[in-house]
Amino acid sequence: EIVMTQSPATLSVSPGERATLSCRASQSVSSNLAWYQQKPGQAPRLLIYGASFRATGVPARFSGSGSGTEFTLTISSLQSEDFAVYYCQQYKNWPPVTFGGGTKVEIK
Amino acid sequence: VQLLESGGGLVQPGGSLRLSCAASGFSFSTYVISWVRQAPGKGLEWVSGISGSGDDTYYADSVKGRFTISRDNSKNTLYLQMNSLRAEDTAVYYCAKRMTTAGFDYWGQGTLVTVSS
Repeated sequence: EIVMTQSPATLSVSPGERATLSCRASQSVSSNLAWYQQKPGQAPRLLIYGASFRATGVPARFSGSGSGTEFTLTISSLQSEDFAVYYCQQYKNWPPVTFGGGTKVEIK
Repeated sequence: VQLLESGGGLVQPGGSLRLSCAASGFSFSTYVISWVRQAPGKGLEWVSGISGSGDDTYYADSVKGRFTISRDNSKNTLYLQMNSLRAEDTAVYYCAKRMTTAGFDYWGQGTLVTVSS
């Protein structure tokens, strides 16, 4: 099973600042990597698939990069609605798909 | 696209429960659908998946032999039969539609399963 590790666990950022979230896979997943946003009491929302493709309706301030074992989600200028938990997920070796432990982006 | 789960509730350890997920707004039989759960205050855990035809099913090791996934394409509905439930199965259970070769693009709102005496 591929293990996904996210860092940091918590990221404190001021509105308008840039946020950089990391995700590492225990073995190569090529570009088979997705990012999700989850707000309290809500289901996850797909942001990025294929490591760098924004899902429908996702603002351009969200961008994904990386391949192989190292991936990054960047939020260029944090808005109030972006404070949430973010998960990465690999789907190269299905089943199972595996998720990272999450990064909580909180207001500084 | 809508996914609507139901069937959650409180059950004793060792008990059973069947979850349902009613789908609409897309060609249901075309897509892999999965169950993903989230224990209180924890992260996401994939539980099970099923092919569009229903011929192929997949399970996490943590539920293999206890949970059974199925679908009725005539009713656009996904099911999860959960037997021999344990306290560690307590979670919100989401159904999620898988993109053709990518992540999960649509999720239901979730249904809470609580296993406790």
